[in-house]
Amino acid sequence: GDSVTQMEGPVTLSEEAFLTINCTYTATGYPSLFWYVQYPGEGLQLLLKATKADDKGSNKGFEATYRKETTSFHLEKGSVQVSDSAVYFCALSASQGGSEKLVFGKGMKLTVNP
Amino acid sequence: GAVVSQHPSWVICKSGTSVKIECRSLDFQATTMFWYRQFPKQSLMLMATSNEGSKATYEQGVEKDKFLINHASLTLSTLTVTSAHPEDSSFYICSALHGGAETQYFGPGTRLLVL
Repeated sequence: GDSVTQMEGPVTLSEEAFLTINCTYTATGYPSLFWYVQYPGEGLQLLLKATKADDKGSNKGFEATYRKETTSFHLEKGSVQVSDSAVYFCALSASQGGSEKLVFGKGMKLTVNP
Repeated sequence: GAVVSQHPSWVICKSGTSVKIECRSLDFQATTMFWYRQFPKQSLMLMATSNEGSKATYEQGVEKDKFLINHASLTLSTLTVTSAHPEDSSFYICSALHGGAETQYFGPGTRLLVL
């Protein structure tokens, strides 16, 4: 079945450091790919998504590119802030927008220190 | 933005009792809601898909008689853990599908501890 593998962490960075969180997937067909973020005490929020190969999702300085050839969707940010401290989940869905069930990675906790 | 609430946020109960968790979409209607379960340091695992006015669709390995799901209105789905046991202790998260945006919006989760 479909699956997502991502870096698990936890990871601690200093403010303004570069961030990469690796995510690879296994799926039949052409899934849509997502990054969700969960801030302390809150529900998961959609951070960005890409629905087809070579698409780049971006939001709040974060970016991820849908790489079909490497089945990857790595999340990057050039300069993290303390407010980026959260748990990040990579996910896929068989549907374009996520209207079908989501398959999640295990999540990675990021702590950014000032 | 779209907001989904869950109630209660945490609950402690005795083994053998039943616990009901509510999931509400506050500012949009959701014909479809999803229930996930998350173990410590594990991923979210989909338990079931809840459709308004019809029976829920359960994932393989999830006991439908154990985890009763009711989606009686376009803004409310409930998950009832029946005859709870310590192994049911977990973090339960719901999401509601915003049809127009084709996006799932997640609730903050409910932590269940069964003693």
